Amino acid sequence: GAVVSQHPSRVICKSGTSVKIECRSLDFQATTMFWYRQFPKQSLMLMATSNEGSKATYEQGVEKDKFLINHASLTLSTLTVTSAHPEDSSFYICSASDPGGGDYEQYFGPGTRLTVT
Amino acid sequence: AQRVTQPEKLLSVFKGAPVELKCNYSYSGSPELFWYVQYSRQRLQLLLRHISRESIKGFTADLNKGETSFHLKKPFAQEEDSAMYYCALSVSRGAQKLVFGQGTRLTINP
Repeated sequence: GAVVSQHPSRVICKSGTSVKIECRSLDFQATTMFWYRQFPKQSLMLMATSNEGSKATYEQGVEKDKFLINHASLTLSTLTVTSAHPEDSSFYICSASDPGGGDYEQYFGPGTRLTVT
Repeated sequence: AQRVTQPEKLLSVFKGAPVELKCNYSYSGSPELFWYVQYSRQRLQLLLRHISRESIKGFTADLNKGETSFHLKKPFAQEEDSAMYYCALSVSRGAQKLVFGQGTRLTINP
């Protein structure tokens, strides 16, 4: 089946620094990738939709200058949290759609836990 | 606004008992609904979708537009069903932007 990986699985960074999270589709080409954020014991909230070769579409309330998303190839999207603050600490999950599947099912990565100290 | 509500955060049943995980949605368009499952230390994965009307691992879910519900059911729970279950609504066909419910943690007691 379709596999999506994320790297790193967990990261700790200092307040004010930037951190990059990678999302890769390992065995299929993903036209669309999605980035979610999950707070402890809460649901997943869509942050942005990323289409290969074009600018990401951000959900209302998500700062595009803070959460930079790049989808430079059909197998890689990156999320960069710029000038991170403790309130950015969260679990970030990506998913990818496989258009070859015909129904655009989303395949999820394992998530990245970000802790900002 | 689109919204998915799962009223039960926790649900505990005994092995062999019937299970029903509730999901209600709010959406003005034509809904596409999904159930996702997350087993311990594993990633989120699709369990079933209302369009396919299939039964996966003994689970079924029927879309009731009148009650705006998409409850997940299984007649006889098994221990391996213990997991976190999320109901999700697609608000963009093709691109499949998903709105998730809060999730229900299902525990099957032996």
